[in-house]
Amino acid sequence: NAGVTQTPKFQVLKTGQSMTLQCAQDMNHNSMYWYRQDPGMGLRLIYYSASEGTTDKGEVPNGYNVSRLNKREFSLRLESAAPSQTSVYFCASSRNTEAFFGQGTRLTVV
Amino acid sequence: AQSVTQLGSHVSVSEGALVLLRCNYSSSVPPYLFWYVQYPNQGLQLLLKYTSAATLVKGINGFEAEFKKSETSFHLTKPSAHMSDAAEYFCARRRRDSSYKLIFGSGTRLLVRP
Repeated sequence: NAGVTQTPKFQVLKTGQSMTLQCAQDMNHNSMYWYRQDPGMGLRLIYYSASEGTTDKGEVPNGYNVSRLNKREFSLRLESAAPSQTSVYFCASSRNTEAFFGQGTRLTVV
Repeated sequence: AQSVTQLGSHVSVSEGALVLLRCNYSSSVPPYLFWYVQYPNQGLQLLLKYTSAATLVKGINGFEAEFKKSETSFHLTKPSAHMSDAAEYFCARRRRDSSYKLIFGSGTRLLVRP
């Protein structure tokens, strides 16, 4: 049982480059989330998807786009990376009241 | 705005001492509340959750939390700290309506001294 799988685990980008962070869950959950974690700021919600076919902005959506490809997969795209997007990104999925998290993607933008 | 506040970015205790990590929420309607733990270079793991009338919630690894509506608090405790408890702890909330947004506090790093 893999749970929530994120790829890649590490990534270094140059300013202006684009990339997509992938997330997949095998728990048949309807809801999926993308968070970023920065020191002293906890986890901040970027986007979430309450169900397949729907997405909504969270607290810090600027500079990001998402795609809920199907029930399993929820990707996060950075169209033009900026140093301020250096962070650890977590994907999560939830059933009822419990959320399950991936291991994170550590992204550095230079 | 609905939020979660964790008092103390760092808490240091001796092994065997009481652990108390503080969390307060702001909301006119009590939300669902959660405590998560994050070990170094890991994702978040659920410790416990408050979703019903039971105000004292027991979780994994000997942790428990008490929901106090009058104080809008959900503090996390453990009677006796172990070295393996050293980690970062996050309090989080979710509204009871159809919203699925899970909002986190800024986290408290627990240090356990031998």
